[in-house]
Amino acid sequence: DAGVTQSPTHLIKTRGQHVTLRCSPISGHKSVSWYQQVLGQGPQFIFQYYEKEERGRGNFPDRFSARQFPNYSSELNVNALLLGDSALYLCASSFLARDTGELFFGEGSRLTVL
Amino acid sequence: GDSVTQMEGPVTLSEEAFLTINCTYTATGYPSLFWYVQYPGEGLQLLLKATKADDKGSNKGFEATYRKETTSFHLEKGSVQVSDSAVYFCALSEVDTGGFKTIFGAGTRLFVKA
Repeated sequence: DAGVTQSPTHLIKTRGQHVTLRCSPISGHKSVSWYQQVLGQGPQFIFQYYEKEERGRGNFPDRFSARQFPNYSSELNVNALLLGDSALYLCASSFLARDTGELFFGEGSRLTVL
Repeated sequence: GDSVTQMEGPVTLSEEAFLTINCTYTATGYPSLFWYVQYPGEGLQLLLKATKADDKGSNKGFEATYRKETTSFHLEKGSVQVSDSAVYFCALSEVDTGGFKTIFGAGTRLFVKA
């Protein structure tokens, strides 16, 4: 069975550009969450989506946005990139919106902003 | 707000040594608690979890007990192996405005020497 898949795995952008990261959850999982992991730190919560609706948002600026599609895949968009946006972006899926159980993580998209 | 604090690493042990990684949390509600592990070159994966006070999570020889009175969830293993070398993250998950969010500690890197 396929796990959580993310694309691209690596990308390099320059300041001010825009980036779109993509995530496909495990089959049957309806909830997708996005996390930012800066080198040497733990993942920081950005968004949770369930059934195409935003169900949670972390302390990130409005430059960060996301959406979920009818097939439960998701995109994370970041506008006006800053050097500080360089990080590993993790997508995690789970079955239910209010399930406080296990998150299944993809291997991440590593973004470098120059 | 909610937070997780875990001991700083790196922790370096010899094979068969006893491991403890301390984790404490602050939460407004009644969270579920987790330990996730990130092996070199791999994505985050759940190691163990506990959902209520005095629950003990266990997996692969690792154990942690949900201590509400001390707001702690320390990770222990009686005899570590070289293959346990990884970064360990303590995390809590709590329901939040129709969804849930998982908050991670900064991670503790473990090196096990043969």
